[in-house]
Amino acid sequence: AQKITQTQPGMFVQEKEAVTLDCTYDTSDPSYGLFWYKQPSSGEMIFLIYQGSYDQQNATEGRYSLNFQKARKSANLVISASQLGDSAMYFCAMRASGYSSASKIIFGSGTRLSIRP
Amino acid sequence: GAVVSQHPSRVICKSGTSVKIECRSLDFQATTMFWYRQFPKQSLMLMATSNEGSKATYEQGVEKDKFLINHASLTLSTLTVTSAHPEDSSFYICSARAGTVYEQYFGPGTRLTVT
Repeated sequence: AQKITQTQPGMFVQEKEAVTLDCTYDTSDPSYGLFWYKQPSSGEMIFLIYQGSYDQQNATEGRYSLNFQKARKSANLVISASQLGDSAMYFCAMRASGYSSASKIIFGSGTRLSIRP
Repeated sequence: GAVVSQHPSRVICKSGTSVKIECRSLDFQATTMFWYRQFPKQSLMLMATSNEGSKATYEQGVEKDKFLINHASLTLSTLTVTSAHPEDSSFYICSARAGTVYEQYFGPGTRLTVT
């Protein structure tokens, strides 16, 4: 069975500091994908970054980078130079069931990030 | 980028009535759409996967007779909560797959309150 675990229910970080949000996963599929989404108080899900299990390099998107450690089954999100607007709920997610049309995205429990001015 | 809309954004209904939520992909065709439910301060829980022209696949524990899903076209899926009860009050989010399995876009969500 596939599972996503986020062990940090909440984090406080000073503005302009970097922050790492933890995510571990479990799957028996050799092919999978990992996502990070941001959910502000408005409720919309904002896609941040994607890492495929066969990707050789860690994914980066602007201030977001994904620290992918396959052997440890971890996919931590790193936000550099945090901003007040980064305060939100962050979800790690995994595409289960490989590349088949039946594949679906399952979510971790989330981490609430609060940026202090 | 691809846009997914949901209607209504908020709905209040009385216990025992049914309510329909629409999910539309505005600028792409979505062969597969997903429905999630999110209770306050909790994660998104997948309810069902719907493929255009076929019956939805429900996750374990989700009552298919209560949550009716229709994926009538490549741009529209609907979720009908039948005989709603206060415990059905939640945030319902749909998402649509654009092409590859990497591309899944989320709607803005619908907040359902059952009184």
